[in-house]
Amino acid sequence: DSGVTQTPKHLITATGQRVTLRCSPRSGDLSVYWYQQSLDQGLQFLIQYYNGEERAKGNILERFSAQQFPDLHSELNLSSLELGDSALYFCASSVGGNYTFGSGTRLTVV
Amino acid sequence: AQTVTQSQPEMSVQEAETVTLSCTYDTSESDYYLFWYKQPPSRQMILVIRQEAYKQQNATENRFSVNFQKAAKSFSLKISDSQLGDAAMYFCAYRSLQGAQKLVFGQGTRLTINP
Repeated sequence: DSGVTQTPKHLITATGQRVTLRCSPRSGDLSVYWYQQSLDQGLQFLIQYYNGEERAKGNILERFSAQQFPDLHSELNLSSLELGDSALYFCASSVGGNYTFGSGTRLTVV
Repeated sequence: AQTVTQSQPEMSVQEAETVTLSCTYDTSESDYYLFWYKQPPSRQMILVIRQEAYKQQNATENRFSVNFQKAAKSFSLKISDSQLGDAAMYFCAYRSLQGAQKLVFGQGTRLTINP
């Protein structure tokens, strides 16, 4: 157990639907990063939150949004889903330059 | 923007032999971190080794070591005495010390260990 918890582990949904992915960072970590990994590709940075505030955005689609709550857990919302959104979505938390990744949520859009 | 390139999509090595995975990166910054991550079939991202750019000494972690060539912007990973459990995707990653400090990943190298 890395200390970063992601739920659910698997998600299958239809095109056009909306889903929410959840991430609880390691205790004490204020930063949460979201990454997308399409099949056999590297991880692409989506968005970062630090202590509840959005800190940076990467190549995140307008159909995607995220937030970080006062208890520091974060949610990634994906809407109007398309087949191409099928991927592994990772959350990572960071302190002192070291990242800890969750086990990911595998999203399959059918 | 920083970029990371892994030019070897696939590599294979005999068990107990040594293999080197290549990584180059592009940056205008002078201080940064570099990482190698391992992703086994479980898909978990596992930190293998980390290098701070200000350190001249190459990082080592047991059977894993790096060859960090700052001027050449090269950061290769050497795995000695390869074991079957080393089979995985390996990703090189760059982290700036400025701004968002996000990780920028290469496309990965799939390593196969032949018994």
